[in-house]
Amino acid sequence: EAGVTQFPSHSVIEKGQTVTLRCDPISGHDNLYWYRRVMGKEIKFLLHFVKESKQDESGMPNNRFLAERTGGTYSTLKVQPAELEDSGVYFCASSQERGKTQYFGPGTRLLVL
Amino acid sequence: GENVEQHPSTLSVQEGDSAVIKCTYSDSASNYFPWYKQELGKRPQLIIDIRSNVGEKKDQRIAVTLNKTAKHFSLHITETQPEDSAVYFCAASIRNTGRRALTFGSGTRLQVQP
Repeated sequence: EAGVTQFPSHSVIEKGQTVTLRCDPISGHDNLYWYRRVMGKEIKFLLHFVKESKQDESGMPNNRFLAERTGGTYSTLKVQPAELEDSGVYFCASSQERGKTQYFGPGTRLLVL
Repeated sequence: GENVEQHPSTLSVQEGDSAVIKCTYSDSASNYFPWYKQELGKRPQLIIDIRSNVGEKKDQRIAVTLNKTAKHFSLHITETQPEDSAVYFCAASIRNTGRRALTFGSGTRLQVQP
């Protein structure tokens, strides 16, 4: 089966610009997670969708981040306006309903200059 | 919330030696502990996991142990090979609840010297 895919693989933008990241989970996986790793630190949870609903968004850092999953398939994470501290690798993961394993995508490397 | 600490941050071993990475967690409600391996430029991949009702689990050269009382768990890699070189992340979560987010440790960069 195809794994989790993310687009773009890399993004370099200037401070104040907007960037939208996309995640396509494994087909049939209702659970979709966003994480990010900043400056080589730990991977931190951002939010969790179950189908199209936000189950947990306690990790979202501020209101410059907006995640959507219309239709319960792919998800987007928009950062607007981007700040320098938003640089890092943004990972998406998905899992089956009631499943335990979260399968990660390759990540989007975001650099804000 | 949950806090996971991981040590060491870097580990260098000779090929054939064993490697041990240790993690502690703070939330006694955590009951699922996966380990992910991330090779350079690739996605994190699950290599082994353990639930809180089990004390040890093995899969070929990899084993994980869990001490619920002390709230710590460890990854053991025996007979290390150069292809084991990667960053390893431990994580903890509370399964069977609405919140299934993983809380990760800070990662251990393992270097296996040939």
